[in-house]
Amino acid sequence: GAGVSQTPSNKVTEKGKYVELRCDPISGHTALYWYRQSLGQGPEFLIYFQGTGAADDSGLPNDRFFAVRPEGSVSTLKIQRTERGDSAVYLCASSSPGGPSTIVEQFFGPGTRLTVL
Amino acid sequence: ILNVEQSPQSLHVQEGDSTNFTCSFPSSNFYALHWYRWETAKSPEALFVMTLNGDEKKKGRISATLNTKEGYSYLYIKGSQPEDSATYLCAFENYGGSQGNLIFGKGTKLSVKP
Repeated sequence: GAGVSQTPSNKVTEKGKYVELRCDPISGHTALYWYRQSLGQGPEFLIYFQGTGAADDSGLPNDRFFAVRPEGSVSTLKIQRTERGDSAVYLCASSSPGGPSTIVEQFFGPGTRLTVL
Repeated sequence: ILNVEQSPQSLHVQEGDSTNFTCSFPSSNFYALHWYRWETAKSPEALFVMTLNGDEKKKGRISATLNTKEGYSYLYIKGSQPEDSATYLCAFENYGGSQGNLIFGKGTKLSVKP
């Protein structure tokens, strides 16, 4: 079956522009996660969806970042007024719902490499 | 602030060498420790999820151990092959944290020369 896919694989934009990054999770996975890996760092959590709603958005760095998942499947990460510091690999992952006392395995996509000039 | 450290940052070995790297994490509120392998231009691939102190898991030539009391995990690769070249990430999951809020280390980049 298909894994998690992300588009585009690479995105180059200019400072101040708006970008959208897309994530298609594994079919049937209700949980979806966004991470960001800046150069020389490990992936950092941004936001987690359970279904259509954001269950935890504590990792979004500021209000320029926003993510949606309107139908509980595909998600879009939106970045307004991009800055050079936003340059990073943006990773998406999905998993089954999980629950109390369960460990869920996250399945990752290949990421979108965003470069802000 | 929860911190996950991995060492070494990078490692160069010859084909056939065995190697190991370390992941250090907070010893309090431990819930799970995840290991991922990330090859360039591919998706991070889950290797192990470890939950119990003393856990030891194995997948082919790769194995991992877990010590939750002292807050460390080792990943071992026996007889390294060029296809093992990748970045190995560990991620800590803390008890009471949000599901999926994995705290990653910076990774160990392994290069295996034929």
